[in-house]
Amino acid sequence: EPEVTQTPSHQVTQMGQEVILRCVPISNHLYFYWYRQILGQKVEFLVSFYNNEISEKSEIFDDQFSVERPDGSNFTLKIRSTKLEDSAMYFCASSEVQQYFGPGTRLTVT
Amino acid sequence: EDQVTQSPEALRLQEGESSSLNCSYTVSGLRGLFWYRQDPGKGPEFLFTLYSAGEEKEKERLKATLTKKESFLHITAPKPEDSATYLCAVLLYSGGGADGLTFGKGTHLIIQP
Repeated sequence: EPEVTQTPSHQVTQMGQEVILRCVPISNHLYFYWYRQILGQKVEFLVSFYNNEISEKSEIFDDQFSVERPDGSNFTLKIRSTKLEDSAMYFCASSEVQQYFGPGTRLTVT
Repeated sequence: EDQVTQSPEALRLQEGESSSLNCSYTVSGLRGLFWYRQDPGKGPEFLFTLYSAGEEKEKERLKATLTKKESFLHITAPKPEDSATYLCAVLLYSGGGADGLTFGKGTHLIIQP
């Protein structure tokens, strides 16, 4: 059964460093998403992407975040200058209709 | 402000003891309501989509229903492997093609053998 994959599973970085989180969506899906979940809190929408451009973004998705589909299979989330409060699980999702989520990347900012 | 509220926050049941989880929503322009299961440290796993009041969906021991104000996830004769956090999420009409889900905080379900 096709599934969304994410790498790395765990990323530790120092405050102020740039990180890139990677996702491979399900191959025939056209819509892609990033969400985050701070420990003990609810899943929050960050951004959606369709036809090589951002479709919708939340208030959380400010100028330090960017997304890219660099080739036909990968979908990335870049955080330019990480802050302590960026520590969270980051989930990628893709959809035709229902959104299917990847296993997540745990980002720890020290 | 659009709201998704799940109750109870946590629920502990004996194996075989049926119960229901609630998701109430106060949103304008509901496109769909989704149920997901989330195991610790994992991503949400899709269970059901409901689009209109009166709709019901079933899968094994789970059944999801939808009214104009709330959705229920009924679990019948649960087993320990049904232990997880169950998340409710709504998709709103915004005019865009790829819209984000708004999640509730979830119900943490524990089934004791």
